Amino acid sequence: DSGVTQTPKHLITATGQRVTLRCSPRSGDLSVYWYQQSLDQGLQFLIQYYNGEERAKGNILERFSAQQFPDLHSELNLSSLELGDSALYFCASSVEGAVYNEQFFGPGTRLTVL
Amino acid sequence: AQSVAQPEDQVNVAEGNPLTVKCTYSVSGNPYLFWYVQYPNRGLQFLLKYITGDNLVKGSYGFEAEFNKSQTSFHLKKPSALVSDSALYFCAVRDITEGFQKLVFGTGTRLLVSP
Repeated sequence: DSGVTQTPKHLITATGQRVTLRCSPRSGDLSVYWYQQSLDQGLQFLIQYYNGEERAKGNILERFSAQQFPDLHSELNLSSLELGDSALYFCASSVEGAVYNEQFFGPGTRLTVL
Repeated sequence: AQSVAQPEDQVNVAEGNPLTVKCTYSVSGNPYLFWYVQYPNRGLQFLLKYITGDNLVKGSYGFEAEFNKSQTSFHLKKPSALVSDSALYFCAVRDITEGFQKLVFGTGTRLLVSP
């Protein structure tokens, strides 16, 4: 158990809908990362937050947004969902914001868009 | 952009035999390299990293990796494989070309250890 929790574990929704994925980092970790894992794109970095502020933005679509709250949990919002958004979404956390720190991954949320 | 390549989709090895999972990198400057492992229905777990220093890096669960600058490789190794090592292994590199730091992962190599 990495100490990172993600809810829900599974999410099935329809095209055009909006969903919110939630992540609670390990106790004491200030940085949260979001990744998307799909068969065709592999594991892609989406976005990073550090202590409530956006630190880095990767391959995140404009339909997607995220935030980190004062209690350090994070939410990833996916809107106008398309079939191609079906994937595993991972959250990871680390103590500090540097990417060379070990990242601890949550178990993921599997999103299925029908 | 920085990248890593994992040339093998799958590696098969018998329990007790040594294993190698290959990774090559394409980086401008000094590379920061990582190995992560993903067990079924789990998130990724950190195994080891190379930032600087000794070319042989020791990590979790008896794994080690050798940084080879001339061959631009960072292969993951273990002297004696266990069935429980069967998992998906990802090599990753730090990319700073877009003005911020991020990890870029390889496509992954599935390791199957047979009893």
